[in-house]
Amino acid sequence: QVQLQESGPGLVKPSETLSLTCTVSGGSIRTGRDYWNWIRQSPGKGLEWIGNIYYGGTPKYNPSLKSRVTISEFPSNNQFSLQVNSVTAADTAIYYCARSRRGADWFDPWGQGILVTVSS
Amino acid sequence: DIQMTQSPSSVSASVGDRVTITCRASQDIRSYLAWYQQKPGTAPKLLIYAASTLQSGVPSRFSGSGSGTDFTLTISSLQPEDFATYFCHQANSLPFTFGPGTKVDIK
Repeated sequence: QVQLQESGPGLVKPSETLSLTCTVSGGSIRTGRDYWNWIRQSPGKGLEWIGNIYYGGTPKYNPSLKSRVTISEFPSNNQFSLQVNSVTAADTAIYYCARSRRGADWFDPWGQGILVTVSS
Repeated sequence: DIQMTQSPSSVSASVGDRVTITCRASQDIRSYLAWYQQKPGTAPKLLIYAASTLQSGVPSRFSGSGSGTDFTLTISSLQPEDFATYFCHQANSLPFTFGPGTKVDIK
């Protein structure tokens, strides 16, 4: 079955760019029926949907983050990525990638999550 | 954005108890609601989608109901492995949003 795994640095300095990659195994991101999502969780804000992308499509973003976020796909590597610019301590969170389906936007499965701390 | 609220924020219960968690949306989300279970140090796990459909592999003691703005997750007979935090999630419109969670712990 499909599995997802986040990777990237666990520590980012304030004002810099957070960059994470999600590697999909057991399935292809090229299906076109699947959306590939980024979600984060912090004690202060709870679970927050960041955005998603589907193969060949235009990414969708949460307006609360839209000006600072980019989600991209890398089909040849079966990966998709997240970049958050100009980070502050408020961006400290566990970041998850997760799959959803067109017309059925529940998240399943999820990656195990990666803790990203913003600190100098 | 659609705001999701949950009640209670926490509940203490014993094995075998019936537990009910409520989720309310700030506007009509039809049946586009999912429930997740999260245990410490792990990712959320999908339990129920479309308000009342049990995800494959989830025990039948879990059930969901509701539509519109008011939804319920019920655990009919709490088991030791059910002590966790439960979240609701609206998938009706972007941006997708989650409830703040209900922690179920041992009485």
